[in-house]
Amino acid sequence: GENVEQHPSTLSVQEGDSAVIKCTYSDSASNYFPWYKQELGKRPQLIIDIRSNVGEKKDQRIAVTLNKTAKHFSLHITETQPEDSAVYFCAASLSGGYNKLIFGAGTRLAVHP
Amino acid sequence: DAGVIQSPRHEVTEMGQEVTLRCKPISGHDYLFWYRQTMMRGLELLIYFNNNVPIDDSGMPEDRFSAKMPNASFSTLKIQPSEPRDSAVYFCASLDPLNTEAFFGQGTRLTVV
Repeated sequence: GENVEQHPSTLSVQEGDSAVIKCTYSDSASNYFPWYKQELGKRPQLIIDIRSNVGEKKDQRIAVTLNKTAKHFSLHITETQPEDSAVYFCAASLSGGYNKLIFGAGTRLAVHP
Repeated sequence: DAGVIQSPRHEVTEMGQEVTLRCKPISGHDYLFWYRQTMMRGLELLIYFNNNVPIDDSGMPEDRFSAKMPNASFSTLKIQPSEPRDSAVYFCASLDPLNTEAFFGQGTRLTVV
């Protein structure tokens, strides 16, 4: 089955710096890769996703890149702000009738003012 | 729609007792997932359903855990008997395959003493 590994487990940056979180997946059939943000005491919520037919996707300060050959994908946050502090989870699934969504272990991001 | 609804929000029980967690998915979502979140293991997929049918329960840790989905609007996760190591936050999530975004409930924080 699918296995998703995520690094680093914790990340500390200064406000305004960039943050990068990396994930690898094992099942080459996976074709959908979402990222979820979980603030303290709250539920995980989708912030951005990418499908295997796309190499990069941006949404304001957030971008995700995908390398299908190497089976890894990354989340990039630019101009970080204190409100970006949260736990971020990557995930992988095979969409289209078999939507088993497997998450990485999470990255705790702390943005210091 | 009120989103995915879980109950109770908090549960404290004594070791050996039966615990039942409940979930109401978003109407029209035909996938339902149960996850367990701990600091050590992150978000673990326990079981998921498609159209009320269990598809994959390979993540259920032991026979003490069972899950049902008697209809499209209700699912339960039962632990019998409960043990202190079952203490965690349990999330239910539902998914509309047309959109692929999984929506999480608020979670149930279970403490077994």
